[in-house]
Amino acid sequence: DAGVIQSPRHEVTEMGQEVTLRCKPISGHNSLFWYRQTMMRGLELLIYFNNNVPIDDSGMPEDRFSAKMPNASFSTLKIQPSEPRDSAVYFCASSPRLTGELFFGEGSRLTVL
Amino acid sequence: KQEVTQIPAALSVPEGENLVLNCSFTDSAIYNLQWFRQDPGKGLTSLLLIQSSQREQTSGRLNASLDKSSGRSTLYIAASQPGDSATYLCAVRDDYKLSFGAGTTVTVRA
Repeated sequence: DAGVIQSPRHEVTEMGQEVTLRCKPISGHNSLFWYRQTMMRGLELLIYFNNNVPIDDSGMPEDRFSAKMPNASFSTLKIQPSEPRDSAVYFCASSPRLTGELFFGEGSRLTVL
Repeated sequence: KQEVTQIPAALSVPEGENLVLNCSFTDSAIYNLQWFRQDPGKGLTSLLLIQSSQREQTSGRLNASLDKSSGRSTLYIAASQPGDSATYLCAVRDDYKLSFGAGTTVTVRA
């Protein structure tokens, strides 16, 4: 079975540009989570969805960040405008339910120059 | 706020030695605890999930224990191999959120 699929794997952009990260969760999973990983702060939860509905976005750092889940098989995380401090690895993870085992994608490494 | 601590931060052992990785958390009102492995430049791979009602979980050479009342979990890896070299992260779920420790980076020397 395919795992969580993220794209792009690597993104290099200039400050001020819009960045869109994409995620396809495991089929049948009802919960989807976006995390950010940096050396300084480790893994931080940004937002999570249950049945396509955002449940908690308190981890989204600023209004520049937004996330959507238009259907059960697709989610996006958008940063507009991007800043150098947004450079990190962004992970998408899915779970059969909110308290179930979490499965991660390979991540999208973002570099903002 | 849940705080998850993993000690030691790094560990180096000769091949064949058993590994013991520790995880502690501050709030015992948890749903479950999950151990992950992360290789450099890769995502997190789920190793074991322990529900709050369980005391331990086993998969192959891996065994994880959970003492919820004392806020501790231990991951044991028997007969370590060079392929076990990676960063191991502990994550605790409460209120639907997973809180992660900083991880223990393991090096198994051949």
